[in-house]
Amino acid sequence: SYVLTQPPSVSVAPGRTATITCGGHNIGGKSVHWYRQKTDQAPVLVIYYDRDRPSGTPERFSGSNSGNTATLTISRVEDGDEADYFCQVWDRSTNHVIFGGGTKLTVL
Amino acid sequence: QVQLQESGPGLVKPSETLSLTCTVSGAAIGTYFWSWLRQSPGKGLEWIGYIYDGRSATYNPSVGSRVTISLDRSENQSSLKLTSVAAADTAVYYCARGIDCSSSSCYLDFWGQGIRVTVSS
Repeated sequence: SYVLTQPPSVSVAPGRTATITCGGHNIGGKSVHWYRQKTDQAPVLVIYYDRDRPSGTPERFSGSNSGNTATLTISRVEDGDEADYFCQVWDRSTNHVIFGGGTKLTVL
Repeated sequence: QVQLQESGPGLVKPSETLSLTCTVSGAAIGTYFWSWLRQSPGKGLEWIGYIYDGRSATYNPSVGSRVTISLDRSENQSSLKLTSVAAADTAVYYCARGIDCSSSSCYLDFWGQGIRVTVSS
């Protein structure tokens, strides 16, 4: 089955840029979606189709996807961005939804 | 505004059946894909399966033949049944609305708040 790999943790100082990666074989050929989950809350969609933002997602959040790596970039990081971030794809061959293991973003 | 609310027992005995309901408001249950997911304590997200009205459900092989997801149009609800539960099924269970799950790439745009289920005697 298809595997998505995320770094367990990323740390960044307030006001700097956070980069969270999601690796998968030829992931550039798939569409990647990103979710933010704050402590004791349900996940929230923050990026879909690699780079589109739902209403409510700040413009500071952006996404890209190419080759074997998809990336979620958060510019001008704020304390409120501290959360777990999960990438997700849909495996067309099995119709299964697949998540990465998640990355804990810590704002220093 | 679309809202989803999970309900059901918070405690289930080992070997018994876990039954949860997701009540949807602001969207018709007969459209979109309705998904169930879970998150074990301190772990990541695990997709359990989804269903679209009029089609058979698709399930994660990790839960295999133990799971059934269904829809109730009259109540605008989705239901999850998981048989023969064990301690490993202890988790927060979420329902979520899926978009584009039969064409390009499924994503989940609205989620319930989740319900914590413990499997213990």
